[in-house]
Amino acid sequence: EAQVTQNPRYLITVTGKKLTVTCSQNMNHEYMSWYRQDPGLGLRQIYYSMNVEVTDKGDVPEGYKVSRKEKRNFPLILESPSPNQTSLYFCASSLWGPQGYEQYFGPGTRLTVT
Amino acid sequence: DQQVKQNSPSLSVQEGRISILNCDYTNSMFDYFLWYKKYPAEGPTFLISISSIKDKNEDGRFTVFLNKSAKHLSLHIVPSQPGDSAVYFCAASASEGAGSYQLTFGKGTKLSVIP
Repeated sequence: EAQVTQNPRYLITVTGKKLTVTCSQNMNHEYMSWYRQDPGLGLRQIYYSMNVEVTDKGDVPEGYKVSRKEKRNFPLILESPSPNQTSLYFCASSLWGPQGYEQYFGPGTRLTVT
Repeated sequence: DQQVKQNSPSLSVQEGRISILNCDYTNSMFDYFLWYKKYPAEGPTFLISISSIKDKNEDGRFTVFLNKSAKHLSLHIVPSQPGDSAVYFCAASASEGAGSYQLTFGKGTKLSVIP
């Protein structure tokens, strides 16, 4: 089954404790992306990747890191989480860039930073 | 600066009637637009898209209209069904020639279809 998986689905952590949210897709997609969803703000892109070792900033990259060492995986790293990073996070992938290709979203990771 | 605007946070429509969701954009570099639908506790799912070379695209009950001069697009759902109740996000991207592969979303409109 074609899918985007994220782990963990729920995470409660404390300020400053490094964490990684994993994202994996099994569709051989080139493009992968991370978004956060906040009430009243909609979906905002954090980082995206056009291919292995190629990443670029989205609208809200501050406080986040990503890596794309393999085509199927695109982890989101929070080196020193803060309460303002409490949010619902979505990973997505598509065959190529957003111009012409729909993105497939994962189920989401709800992160709470206390 | 919000480049993709969905000015109606919510919309209620009777079952069987038409739902019209609106979206405005400010970036003239945007030339590809998509609509996503999101149910609670799930990731967004793609609904329909339109390229700037078209002014209309239709898929079953869903039609998207694009007015480039007004920088406005709308999603029409006819007839509306209770299962259409969800949050709808408008999204836009610039052409590949612009050198960016970023996708910008609006804040979403929550549609409620009343049986």
